[in-house]
Amino acid sequence: DIVLTQSPGTLSLSPGERATLSCRASQSLSNNYLAWYQQKPGQAPRLLTYDASTRATGIPDRFSGSASGTNFTLTISRLEPEDFAVYYCQQFDNSPFTFGGGTKVEIK
Amino acid sequence: QVQLQESGPGLVKSSETLALSCTVSGGSIKSHYWSWIRQPPGKGLEWIGYFHYSGSTKYNPSLQSRVTISGDTSKNQFSLRLNSVTAADTAVYYCARHFGLYAYYYGLDVWGQGTAVTVSS
Repeated sequence: DIVLTQSPGTLSLSPGERATLSCRASQSLSNNYLAWYQQKPGQAPRLLTYDASTRATGIPDRFSGSASGTNFTLTISRLEPEDFAVYYCQQFDNSPFTFGGGTKVEIK
Repeated sequence: QVQLQESGPGLVKSSETLALSCTVSGGSIKSHYWSWIRQPPGKGLEWIGYFHYSGSTKYNPSLQSRVTISGDTSKNQFSLRLNSVTAADTAVYYCARHFGLYAYYYGLDVWGQGTAVTVSS
């Protein structure tokens, strides 16, 4: 199985600040089939990006994804109050389609 | 607008079978791949497996011996069966649609609200 390691576990930031979330894959994703999700308490996850860097429909442009080798990054350029949540990455290069352990972005 | 709704018992006895359905409204199950995902209380997400109406399925090897995902095009539903459950199977179970026609690798873009299942001894 491909293991996705997300870091940090928790990110404490203020509204307006920039958030940088990391997802490292245990092996190369040859097709960069990696997605990012946002999950708020009591809600289902919401797709933010796919193919490592393509924003899903209706996602604000403050969310951006990038890839470099086995390292994937989700950047939120300026945190809005509604962005404080848990973020997960998921890979679709190989079955099983594993998730990372999540990064919680909390208000500082 | 496509919507998904999970249904099934919220309480299952240990060693019995967990059975859930996902009803798709506003779209056809013939056009996409469909997955089940679960989330134990306070923990992260685990992909269980996917179904395509052509009959194609793929399961997480960690559950493969106990899981079956199938679909009913006449009801526009797909279902999850998980045999021989234990307390470790207690979780919120989500059904979700794979984004992109006839492809499974673009992410899960439509999710049900989730249904909580508790396995009791």
